[in-house]
Amino acid sequence: EVQLVESGGGLVQPGGSLRLSCAASGFIFTNSPMTWVRQAPGKGLEWVSSTSGSGLNTYYADSVKGRFTISRDNSMSTLHLQLTGLRAEDTAVYYCARDRGYGDHLYNYFDPWGQGTLVTVSS
Amino acid sequence: ETVMTQSPATLSLSPGETATLSCRASQRIRENYLAWYQQKPGQAPRLLIHGISTRATGVPDRFSGGGSETEFTLSISSLQSEDSAVYFCQHYASWPLTFGGGTKVEIK
Repeated sequence: EVQLVESGGGLVQPGGSLRLSCAASGFIFTNSPMTWVRQAPGKGLEWVSSTSGSGLNTYYADSVKGRFTISRDNSMSTLHLQLTGLRAEDTAVYYCARDRGYGDHLYNYFDPWGQGTLVTVSS
Repeated sequence: ETVMTQSPATLSLSPGETATLSCRASQRIRENYLAWYQQKPGQAPRLLIHGISTRATGVPDRFSGGGSETEFTLSISSLQSEDSAVYFCQHYASWPLTFGGGTKVEIK
């Protein structure tokens, strides 16, 4: 069974940092592009960042470019998102999801999704 | 950036009826790069449809997608109580990827 389990969320002050992780199992992680999507409380979905299977290619929404960094440890089947310079508007549940593409070819639609981890930015 | 607009915001229907959800793109979506997701309360989104009309594995054929260019629809026939959820469309034709604001389907 394909499973994605996020961790690392929590309460952080404005300007602070967090590192989110997503542990993957049930599929060949190295072959799978991955993505992060967030959802502010009671709001819709916002794509945040994606990475190819090798991790060599990364993509970011303008709202997080220069502040967030996506990375992956293929030896540990784990996806990461480093969040820095956090703002109140970054408060959201952060989901990791598998891109349905293969290798370094992203299809850019996502299945399945993890259950998410909540990041709250507040003083 | 391609803006995705969904309507209506809320749809309230009885079991057995057909729901028709609309998704409009601010510019033409190339190569049929349009997906739909279902999100039930307290759960993560679930892929329903990609490529405008291709159902994901395990999705009942009561769910069907259609449309082209800038106008897309998700139809849910023979509504069941388990279909109560928020439905999001997403284009994946270009960066940045964007989602619609969602349509909440309520079952009376």
